[in-house]
Amino acid sequence: NAGVTQTPKFQVLKTGQSMTLQCAQDMNHNSMYWYRQDPGMGLRLIYYSASEGTTDKGEVPNGYNVSRLNKREFSLRLESAAPSQTSVYFCASSEVSLEEQYFGPGTRLTVT
Amino acid sequence: QKEVEQDPGPLSVPEGAIVSLNCTYSNSAFQYFMWYRQYSRKGPELLMYTYSSGNKEDGRFTAQVDKSSKYISLFIRDSQPSDSATYLCSYYYGNNRLAFGKGNQVVVIP
Repeated sequence: NAGVTQTPKFQVLKTGQSMTLQCAQDMNHNSMYWYRQDPGMGLRLIYYSASEGTTDKGEVPNGYNVSRLNKREFSLRLESAAPSQTSVYFCASSEVSLEEQYFGPGTRLTVT
Repeated sequence: QKEVEQDPGPLSVPEGAIVSLNCTYSNSAFQYFMWYRQYSRKGPELLMYTYSSGNKEDGRFTAQVDKSSKYISLFIRDSQPSDSATYLCSYYYGNNRLAFGKGNQVVVIP
């Protein structure tokens, strides 16, 4: 099994450009999550989706939008990238809320 | 409130030493605690999962929760160079969400 996959692995954007980070899981999990990880800040939840068709804001949602396309896929969109969005982005999934979250390999995004 | 505070790192130890990592949390209502391990340039992976108070052992790893002092600990016995990673404490705070500490980088020197 591939588990949680993310594309792209690396991306450089100019300020104001837009892009979508893709995430897919093959474990038939109901819940999916997007986090960002910054030095000294730890993992912070951007958005999550408890089940197909639902999404909710996390701790740092400003500047981002998400789409739960189907049970497998959960995308994160930056409409107008800013240097403050330079970070490593992780997607994760879990079967039910109290169980282990499985993380993808991350996307390293730099906004210049 | 969902804050979890983790001791600052990094921590360097010689191979074979005991590694001790700690976190404090703010809300005494929560009972599910986890330690994640993250190797450099990889995603976090679950290492230990504990519920409420007490100890849980898994091989060389022991997770401990002290609810009276709101303290979470991870001990690694007989540390190996392969244990060199960042360790993240976390707890479940409802609505399908986990709160994570900032992480402790551990370096085990051969």
